[in-house]
Amino acid sequence: EIVLTQSPATLSLSPGERATLSCRASQSVSTYLAWYQQKPGQAPRLLIFDASNRATGIPARFSGSGSGTDFTLTISSLEPEDFAVYYCQHRSNWPLTFGQGTRLEIK
Amino acid sequence: EVQLVESGGGLVQPGGSLRLSCVASGFTFNNYAMSWVRQAPGKGLEWVSSINGGGTSTNFADSVKGRFTISRDNSKNTLSLQMDSLRVDDTAVYYCAKDPGDWSNWFDPWGQGTLVTVSS
Repeated sequence: EIVLTQSPATLSLSPGERATLSCRASQSVSTYLAWYQQKPGQAPRLLIFDASNRATGIPARFSGSGSGTDFTLTISSLEPEDFAVYYCQHRSNWPLTFGQGTRLEIK
Repeated sequence: EVQLVESGGGLVQPGGSLRLSCVASGFTFNNYAMSWVRQAPGKGLEWVSSINGGGTSTNFADSVKGRFTISRDNSKNTLSLQMDSLRVDDTAVYYCAKDPGDWSNWFDPWGQGTLVTVSS
């Protein structure tokens, strides 16, 4: 089973700042990595798939990068609605697994 | 607009059974793989099971293998999860999720979830 480790666990930033979230895989997943956003009381929403492709309707301030074992989700300038929990997920093989999440909170 | 509506959650005793359903609309159901993902209270996301568009191929997390069965009725646009031998640690919100393709193994979009509580 591929283990995805996200860091930091919590990130405290202010609106307008740049956010950088990390996801590290225990073995290579090529570019088979996605990012999701989850707000309290809501279902998760797909942001990025295949490491760097934005899903439909996702604003351009969200970008993803990386390959192999190290991946990054960047939010270029935080909007108030971006404060949420973010998860990475791989699809390299079975079982599909998620990282433990990064909570992005308002400073 | 794609809509996924789960139902069937509730309170069940350890060792009991429950059947979840997810009714889909807004897309050609049999063209897309579907999955169940769960989230224990206050915890992260855990993939549970996936089924391809034709219903001929399935996969399960080790934690549910042999206890849960995934199926679909493409004539009724319905995804199901039969959960047997339930354990306390199966307590979670269960989400159904659409695959953007057939076996691309991303989840987009998700339903609103249905809560399963396993407790005596």
